[in-house]
Amino acid sequence: DVQLEESGGGLIQPGGSLRLSCAASGFTVSSNYMSWVRQSPGKGLEWVSVIYSGGSTYYADSVKGRFTISRDKPKNMLHLQMNSLGVEDTAIYYCAGGRDAYNPGAWGYWGQGTLVTVSS
Amino acid sequence: DIQMTQSPSTLSASVGDRVTITCRASQTISTWLAWYQQKPGKAPKLLIYKASILESGVPSGFSGSGSGTEFTLTISSLQPEDFATYYCQQYNGYPWTFGQGTKVEFK
Repeated sequence: DVQLEESGGGLIQPGGSLRLSCAASGFTVSSNYMSWVRQSPGKGLEWVSVIYSGGSTYYADSVKGRFTISRDKPKNMLHLQMNSLGVEDTAIYYCAGGRDAYNPGAWGYWGQGTLVTVSS
Repeated sequence: DIQMTQSPSTLSASVGDRVTITCRASQTISTWLAWYQQKPGKAPKLLIYKASILESGVPSGFSGSGSGTEFTLTISSLQPEDFATYYCQQYNGYPWTFGQGTKVEFK
């Protein structure tokens, strides 16, 4: 069974930094196309970033230059380093695994999400 | 950015109804489209990818069609567990973008 479990969310002041993590089991992070997707409270879904198995990374314009996606191969984990956080970054953050190499943006595996609240 | 527009935003239906949700892309995305179901407090669940391929384990009552800029998700006979919010999402070009969602509620 595939399991993805996010951690690292919490309350942070505007301008602060936070690092989210996603631990995977039954699924190899480094061999797959892993994304972060967020959902503001009561709102729709927004793709944040992807890291390809080859290491290429892409970001939404709203987070480019502030967020960095990475992975830890030995620990089979995915990370999202978030800097210069603003209130608009308040959301539930999900890690999600791409279905396959031909459909990297179709996420068949999701974690339960971790809530990030940016507030003073 | 590619804009994804779903219609309707809310759909009132009864158990057993045939339900169709439409998703339009602001530019052609071939068939690089996925559909997700989300229930309150839960992560989204992949239903359809590549516009029409049913994800493993998803009931056959769900189907997807379309290409280019017009897509549909059809539920052939609405079941009690199908009342949820549905999202389309394109992965043809960055940034990958979602529709605003369609809430399927009890009539």
